Amino acid sequence: QQQVKQSPQSLIVQKGGIPIINCAYENTAFDYFPWYQQFPGKGPALLIAIRPDVSEKKEGRFTISFNKSAKQFSLHIMDSQPGDSATYFCAASTEDNFNKFYFGSGTKLNVKP
Amino acid sequence: DARVTQTPRHKVTEMGQEVTMRCQPILGHNTVFWYRQTMMQGLELLAYFRNRAPLDDSGMPKDRFSAEMPDATLATLKIQPSEPRDSAVYFCASGLVGTTHNEQFFGPGTRLTVL
Repeated sequence: QQQVKQSPQSLIVQKGGIPIINCAYENTAFDYFPWYQQFPGKGPALLIAIRPDVSEKKEGRFTISFNKSAKQFSLHIMDSQPGDSATYFCAASTEDNFNKFYFGSGTKLNVKP
Repeated sequence: DARVTQTPRHKVTEMGQEVTMRCQPILGHNTVFWYRQTMMQGLELLAYFRNRAPLDDSGMPKDRFSAEMPDATLATLKIQPSEPRDSAVYFCASGLVGTTHNEQFFGPGTRLTVL
């Protein structure tokens, strides 16, 4: 049973568009929600993360929106660029299992010039 | 520039052969993870260690896979005997538990092809 469900599987946007990737979870004990970015041939790397005490977090052009009651969180990429083309993974973990991440299935983003 | 290193980067082998993948975690990190990535299953956690002790290997097929940390600078993942369905990219990641920093740092992966 997948602990974190991610959608869509793939996404194509034009340069300057705002792709949105969504994740949902069931375990209310999750208290840390990172997003990882993976380029072809590379390992995933942390992009941005949020804890459930805030509803939104921004870092540069990347924003996480978090809805605790709906148990959903999403990644928005403002003014997307071709260099943002990558696979994005959401994840979740719990304090009592510190650092064990449950990853979503990934979203392959293609930003067209 | 601290980073996780993995060897080999690519491995092609025949079914039935033993495969050993190695990982050097970031110096000072106390937690090491092994993941497998495939198109069908995405990122799967196989096993992880804290302070060199195995904490969870429930994601690993026990009959053919084994993971160890002989010392703090080396983690190994072994498959014996290998099968074509083991073809995947295997990632090692390390992290430091016990601080507010909850990041896992991934290595570049080992791409395994079993013929």
